[in-house]
Amino acid sequence: AQRVTQPEKLLSVFKGAPVELKCNYSYSGSPELFWYVQYSRQRLQLLLRHISRESIKGFTADLNKGETSFHLKKPFAQEEDSAMYYCALSWQGGSEKLVFGKGTKLTVNP
Amino acid sequence: EPEVTQTPSHQVTQMGQEVILRCVPISNHLYFYWYRQILGQKVEFLVSFYNNEISEKSEIFDDQFSVERPDGSNFTLKIRSTKLEDSAMYFCASSDLGQNTGELFFGEGSRLTVL
Repeated sequence: AQRVTQPEKLLSVFKGAPVELKCNYSYSGSPELFWYVQYSRQRLQLLLRHISRESIKGFTADLNKGETSFHLKKPFAQEEDSAMYYCALSWQGGSEKLVFGKGTKLTVNP
Repeated sequence: EPEVTQTPSHQVTQMGQEVILRCVPISNHLYFYWYRQILGQKVEFLVSFYNNEISEKSEIFDDQFSVERPDGSNFTLKIRSTKLEDSAMYFCASSDLGQNTGELFFGEGSRLTVL
């Protein structure tokens, strides 16, 4: 079965420090991986997807099929990055569902 | 910027009562979804809807659940006889291309509390 694991429930860093939010997945085929973010009192929204290979708000994520990982990274964290981050997986082949990880709450301290 | 809207934001109901959660997806989107998140747990897929029918549903989406698009704008989730374990945040989402390639746009959620 498809599964997404985010090992850290909470992550706290200081402003300007690098941050890495871990995501591992379990799926034997060709996955589509996403990071969604939920800022305080806001709705869940897409941050980035691996297929577009883009950097959004300074965040990047590389799909590593060998390690089945899709870690989210930012070299210099900002206070406004504080939010709940969810890694999510979908796949080609007719399924319509996104499988989410449990989420990591990132706090960036001043 | 167009947004998915959900009503009510919070509903409290007695066990066994029927509940209808309403959603207005983004107007030109074709794919509609319901997800739920029990407090402290992960966001879980319930059902997807395309071309006026259910395209996929999870094992959570049993006979107590139904979805409907009664007109051109609303997308509703009905729970016929609520149970305590139905207490959760329910998220509606819509997409123009489907979630494999497109972005899901989520509503702010409807919090359901079953007493």
